[in-house]
Amino acid sequence: GENVEQHPSTLSVQEGDSAVIKCTYSDSASNYFPWYKQELGKRPQLIIDIRSNVGEKKDQRIAVTLNKTAKHFSLHITETQPEDSAVYFCAASIKGNQFYFGTGTSLTVIP
Amino acid sequence: DSGVTQTPKHLITATGQRVTLRCSPRSGDLSVYWYQQSLDQGLQFLIQYYNGEERAKGNILERFSAQQFPDLHSELNLSSLELGDSALYFCASSVGEAGGPGEQFFGPGTRLTVL
Repeated sequence: GENVEQHPSTLSVQEGDSAVIKCTYSDSASNYFPWYKQELGKRPQLIIDIRSNVGEKKDQRIAVTLNKTAKHFSLHITETQPEDSAVYFCAASIKGNQFYFGTGTSLTVIP
Repeated sequence: DSGVTQTPKHLITATGQRVTLRCSPRSGDLSVYWYQQSLDQGLQFLIQYYNGEERAKGNILERFSAQQFPDLHSELNLSSLELGDSALYFCASSVGEAGGPGEQFFGPGTRLTVL
């Protein structure tokens, strides 16, 4: 089955700096890569996603890049704000069926 | 509010018991997914149903089973419960295959505590 690895497990940045979270996947059949933000005690919420036919996608301060050859994808958050503090999960999916999640990155933005 | 509902919100039970978790997907969504999130751990995919049929299986134990009914709500049955089954169980729904891979909307979760 698919194996998704996520790094780092914890990340602290100063407010206004950028944060980068990286994930790798193993199954070349995976073609959908969402990123979720989960605040303490709450449900995961999609923040951005990318499909395998696209190399990069941006939504305001958030961007995701995908390298299919290397089987890795990354989340970039620019101009971080304290409200960005949360746990972020990457995931890989084959055609929207099985979703395999990374182990999460706890991001702390220091004011 | 994602539009996905889960009941109950909290469940406390004893080892060896059996419980049923319920999920109602967003209106129009045909796919339902079940996940287990243990303390300080990520989301473990358990099983997916699409329009009443099992579509994909993940790391689901044999003691666990699920089904999706004609009205598209789903139930996750956990039996012979062990202490290690204590976790937050999420249900998520999406449009499903017709719309291609797309956003999953998560319910608020059911927190299961096995004593």
